Amino acid sequence: DGGITQSPKYLFRKEGQNVTLSCEQNLNHDAMYWYRQDPGQGLRLIYYSQIVNDFQKGDIAEGYSVSREKKESFPLTVTSAQKNPTAFYLCASSWRGQPQHFGDGTRLSIL
Amino acid sequence: KQEVTQIPAALSVPEGENLVLNCSFTDSAIYNLQWFRQDPGKGLTSLLLIQSSQREQTSGRLNASLDKSSGRSTLYIAASQPGDSATYLCAVLHPNFGNEKLTFGTGTRLTIIP
Repeated sequence: DGGITQSPKYLFRKEGQNVTLSCEQNLNHDAMYWYRQDPGQGLRLIYYSQIVNDFQKGDIAEGYSVSREKKESFPLTVTSAQKNPTAFYLCASSWRGQPQHFGDGTRLSIL
Repeated sequence: KQEVTQIPAALSVPEGENLVLNCSFTDSAIYNLQWFRQDPGKGLTSLLLIQSSQREQTSGRLNASLDKSSGRSTLYIAASQPGDSATYLCAVLHPNFGNEKLTFGTGTRLTIIP
């Protein structure tokens, strides 16, 4: 079945540590997105990529980094510079202008 | 900057009732508007997408309307069921020279009481 796989489902970060969230899709979509969701809030865009080897900052990119070396993969690194990383992270993909398909998310917490 | 608002933040209704969820947006220059469903701890499932040239879309017991000029959309759920309990989010897609982005509302948490 085609879809988006995010891993791990739960992740814990120590102080000063970088962590990487995985997002893989087999839908052959060109565009991929990373969102952050805080309790009681909507989704906020962190980074997005319309094509391999290209990506753009979203509204809250500070403290995060991404890469897009393969069409299927769009990993997100939460760096130590992100001082409030506890949140639910969602990855999505789409054809341009078409509805976005979402993964099941990764919940990141601080130890 | 586009802002999307959903009121109320939470809603509880008895099973079987019809209900309406509201979504408003500040910039009417949109490509489309989507309604999503989110179950606890899960990702989003797209329910309905309305193009900017359309007035409404229907899928089963769901009907979404769009009034672009007034910056409003509604999601109508008929004959509600306990399985409809979830958070419903609306999002607008607005043009940005090939880098179109979705802007989400904060959601309405719906509880259907058996």
